[in-house]
Amino acid sequence: DTGVSQDPRHKITKRGQNVTFRCDPISEHNRLYWYRQTLGQGPEFLTYFQNEAQLEKSRLLSDRFSAERPKGSFSTLEIQRTEQGDSAMYLCASSLWGNNQPQHFGDGTRLSIL
Amino acid sequence: DQQVKQNSPSLSVQEGRISILNCDYTNSMFDYFLWYKKYPAEGPTFLISISSIKDKNEDGRFTVFLNKSAKHLSLHIVPSQPGDSAVYFCAASARSGAGSYQLTFGKGTKLSVIP
Repeated sequence: DTGVSQDPRHKITKRGQNVTFRCDPISEHNRLYWYRQTLGQGPEFLTYFQNEAQLEKSRLLSDRFSAERPKGSFSTLEIQRTEQGDSAMYLCASSLWGNNQPQHFGDGTRLSIL
Repeated sequence: DQQVKQNSPSLSVQEGRISILNCDYTNSMFDYFLWYKKYPAEGPTFLISISSIKDKNEDGRFTVFLNKSAKHLSLHIVPSQPGDSAVYFCAASARSGAGSYQLTFGKGTKLSVIP
């Protein structure tokens, strides 16, 4: 059973550097979501892809953030000029098309900004 | 403005007894509700869900109840087992104009099942 895969699991970087995370969704899932989770909070929605099209972005997604899903399969999330406040767990989830389909999450990438 | 609230940060239950986790929501547009379980250093794992057209859904030891008039849902675990010890998140969704079913989460309840 191949679930949602995220890479890397941990990323430590200095403030001001760029980072990129990768998500491989469950293969037959055409919906893909990115969330961010900070300590003591539930995950918060960042952005949504339907196949290769990025259809929705949260206001949490500043212009330093960009996400792609070039062929409707894997997705990348890039953060440019990282700031202390970007430290968080970045979670990817995927689901099937249709109403009331549960989202399945990867184990996330934990980002620490020094 | 928190649209999904889990008012109990933690809950301790004896092994074999019932665990009841509660969740309240404010957005009447939510029509699909889910519970996730999360162990440390892992992502949330989907447990059970319920559509707004139902008031109960059962899967093995897990039952979710939905009271739409009160905007309240609960997760019952019977019997509770030590392996159920984890953080439980309540989540809700409504279809957006862009076709997204983004989830809105509560802050979670940490369940400890005592052997």
